[in-house]
Amino acid sequence: NAGVTQTPKFRILKIGQSMTLQCAQDMNHNYMYWYRQDPGMGLKLIYYSVGAGITDKGEVPNGYNVSRSTTEDFPLRLELAAPSQTSVYFCASSYYGGNTEAFFGQGTRLTVV
Amino acid sequence: QKEVEQNSGPLSVPEGAIASLNCTYSDRVSQSFFWYRQYSGKSPELIMSIYSNGDKEDGRFTAQLNKASQYVSLLIRDSQPSDSATYLCAVKDAGGTSYGKLTFGQGTILTVHP
Repeated sequence: NAGVTQTPKFRILKIGQSMTLQCAQDMNHNYMYWYRQDPGMGLKLIYYSVGAGITDKGEVPNGYNVSRSTTEDFPLRLELAAPSQTSVYFCASSYYGGNTEAFFGQGTRLTVV
Repeated sequence: QKEVEQNSGPLSVPEGAIASLNCTYSDRVSQSFFWYRQYSGKSPELIMSIYSNGDKEDGRFTAQLNKASQYVSLLIRDSQPSDSATYLCAVKDAGGTSYGKLTFGQGTILTVHP
């Protein structure tokens, strides 16, 4: 019963490098989300998806890209990493519809140096 | 105005007291409301969800929703030290061009002291 799985758990990147944060869910959820959380702050929505092939920008999409080719996977791509992208990244998913809670992965702690 | 705004913290209450957490939202297509608890270094976990105006009770927790005032709150009765955490208000859009969008507030840090 894996739920939402994020990889890696920790990563250090150098400025200008690129990487992909992986997120997979095995609950057949339609909706998936990517958030970042800076120290002492709430969750800021980066991108979200309401189904395979459909993605939308959240509050802070600059510097990130996503794709949703399958229901299960929702990878987040960082191009040209910057120190401002140092954060904890959470992936979440929920069933279709408004009255459904989101389940979270364990997070990826990313440091850009 | 931010989409989802929580009362500024941190909030400190004595053990056994009632903790009151508040949240306002700006988007009128918002239909579903959630309270999550997050312990330091952990992922958020759902405490309560509420979809209709009024109160919803679950054990020591009561969520209150007033859609006309665009206001949602969480009351924690008989607060325990184990309730010390960050509480996050979340709002989900169920219509319009942003359906499915789930937006969080900035969180309120609650400390329950013995």
